[in-house]
Amino acid sequence: KQEVTQIPAALSVPEGENLVLNCSFTDSAIYNLQWFRQDPGKGLTSLLLIQSSQREQTSGRLNASLDKSSGRSTLYIAASQPGDSATYLCAVSDRGSTLGRLYFGRGTQLTVWP
Amino acid sequence: DGGITQSPKYLFRKEGQNVTLSCEQNLNHDAMYWYRQDPGQGLRLIYYSQIVNDFQKGDIAEGYSVSREKKESFPLTVTSAQKNPTAFYLCASSIPRLGAFAEQYFGPGTRLTVT
Repeated sequence: KQEVTQIPAALSVPEGENLVLNCSFTDSAIYNLQWFRQDPGKGLTSLLLIQSSQREQTSGRLNASLDKSSGRSTLYIAASQPGDSATYLCAVSDRGSTLGRLYFGRGTQLTVWP
Repeated sequence: DGGITQSPKYLFRKEGQNVTLSCEQNLNHDAMYWYRQDPGQGLRLIYYSQIVNDFQKGDIAEGYSVSREKKESFPLTVTSAQKNPTAFYLCASSIPRLGAFAEQYFGPGTRLTVT
């Protein structure tokens, strides 16, 4: 069964720092990997989706990379801002199970202080 | 506006009562999913449906039931058999494409508290 791990569980940094959030998964047979943002008490907002054939995706200050062979992904946040404070979740779509179902990590809770 | 709606946002029930959570989407997506989120935990899959009138159990289906009579709707019933129903429930949908990405879109969630 696919297992997804996110490190660190929590991160607190001053505004302006560049950040790296890590995600690892146990089975490299995936369709894609998604990074989500979740604000307290809210649903999930999709940030980036990387297909299994891609190495990275970028959106504004966010860059996500995928190394499928080693089962790792990183989310890079440039020039962090207080508005980036949220929980970031990583999820993989597994080829070994029903098309489209996601396996989630527990998330990294990010706090960016002014 | 296209999207996924869940209602109500907060729901309170007494132990022993069944309760139904609503999920509606106007994205014309075929696949719909129900996840449960507990504090400090990743999301866990309860049920999913790829087409109308068809659904499958996820990892934690015991104590839950669903129906998929319309493409737009996928209600979840939390029955009295669910031992720890208090949680945050999230509904999602996607267009499943074989061999390609299947980005999932999530609703705002329903927080259920059972006392």
